[in-house]
This record gives sequence, C-alpha cells and structure tokens, in this order.
Amino acid sequence: DARVTQTPRHKVTEMGQEVTMRCQPILGHNTVFWYRQTMMQGLELLAYFRNRAPLDDSGMPKDRFSAEMPDATLATLKIQPSEPRDSAVYFCASGPGQADEKLFFGSGTQLSVL
Amino acid sequence: SQQGEEDPQALSIQEGENATMNCSYKTSINNLQWYRQNSGRGLVHLILIRSNEREKHSGRLRVTLDTSKKSSSLLITASRAADTASYFCATRGPPGYSTLTFGKGTMLLVSP
Repeated sequence: DARVTQTPRHKVTEMGQEVTMRCQPILGHNTVFWYRQTMMQGLELLAYFRNRAPLDDSGMPKDRFSAEMPDATLATLKIQPSEPRDSAVYFCASGPGQADEKLFFGSGTQLSVL
Repeated sequence: SQQGEEDPQALSIQEGENATMNCSYKTSINNLQWYRQNSGRGLVHLILIRSNEREKHSGRLRVTLDTSKKSSSLLITASRAADTASYFCATRGPPGYSTLTFGKGTMLLVSP
C-alpha cells in the first residue's frame, strides 16, 4: 500500500532547540501539504508545494518556521528556535495534483516543546 | 481561519443507529470532502462531492451538498463501534486555488 511516511512519530524537545520533521510523499504525487493540528485551532495549513515549488506558506510563522522540498521524495519542516506554543501534531499530506484530488495523510509527528 | 464548521462538535449514539453530521462553509467552492480521523492517526479520505453535485453515496455513507445554503451533511447509516472517530469536512476553493481548508470536526462515539 502506498502511504505517506512521516518521521519522527514523537519528538520531545526543550524550548530554543531546532526541530526537523520529515515527510516522504507517495511516489508520483506532485502536491505536498503541511498541516498543524491543535485542540484549539483544529487543522491549520502551514505550507503547500506543487512540483516541489512552494505555492502557499501564508499560514506559517516566517520568523521560525521553514519548509522545503530538497527532492520529490522528501519534504521537511523546520522550527528554529522552537517554543512551547509550537507543541502540536504536524501532518504531512500528498496528492496527485488534480483539481478534485483527495489527500493522503501521514500519521503525523507529535511535537512537545518543554 | 476555518472555512468549514462542523455541527455538532460531539455526537454519541448506539450501534445500529444513524449518525448525521453537518458542515457549513463561507465562500464558493470547487468541491467538498469528508475525512475521518481515528485517535492518534492521520486523516483518511471518505468521500468527495463536487459543487455541481447534490448527493453522493459510498457504502454506508451518504453526503449531500446545498450550495445555496453553503452546507453539507454526512450520514452514516447502521453505525458500528468501528465508526468511532472524528469527522472533518474540507473545502477546496474555486478553480486555481488548490488548498484544502478543514473544519474543527465532529467527534463521533458509537457505543456497542
């Protein structure tokens, strides 16, 4: 079964540390999304890539967050420096790039910043 | 900000009963999708309905869309304990805007 793979599944870190989350989209998918899920805000879109090019990162705090796609098989989301308010579950999703595409989600990275 | 808002926030029913969840949204859409999320897992796509469709079925799922009221409903018939999960509606804007915006979800509990 093709699936989106995210690593790590869990991350506990101290405030001020750098956090890197990785995502392997489904082979052949050309859209990649990063979402953050919290109880208060629900699912928030952080970044969106199409054919590895960033198209929308308006939901991402620019001063500390960065998202990249070094190649078609890897997407990364970095937080530097991390803060306690960044504690959340971060999901990566990929899609085939059609107008009516459905998204395939990874299992998420649960981040706790102490 | 969320485009879709689900109602109710939580729903508790017995196995065999039907579950209905509603979603309202604010701006015009290209399509609307429903996803399920089991505890501690990622979201799983359930069904998609396009803006020119009014009703769609998939197994025990029935989705309706009323674009004049900017609302959708998801009906799960003959619910099972395994249907216990959170359900989210997600909207995709007009052509050219390709991101999915999610609501905060309805938490469904189906008791045996």
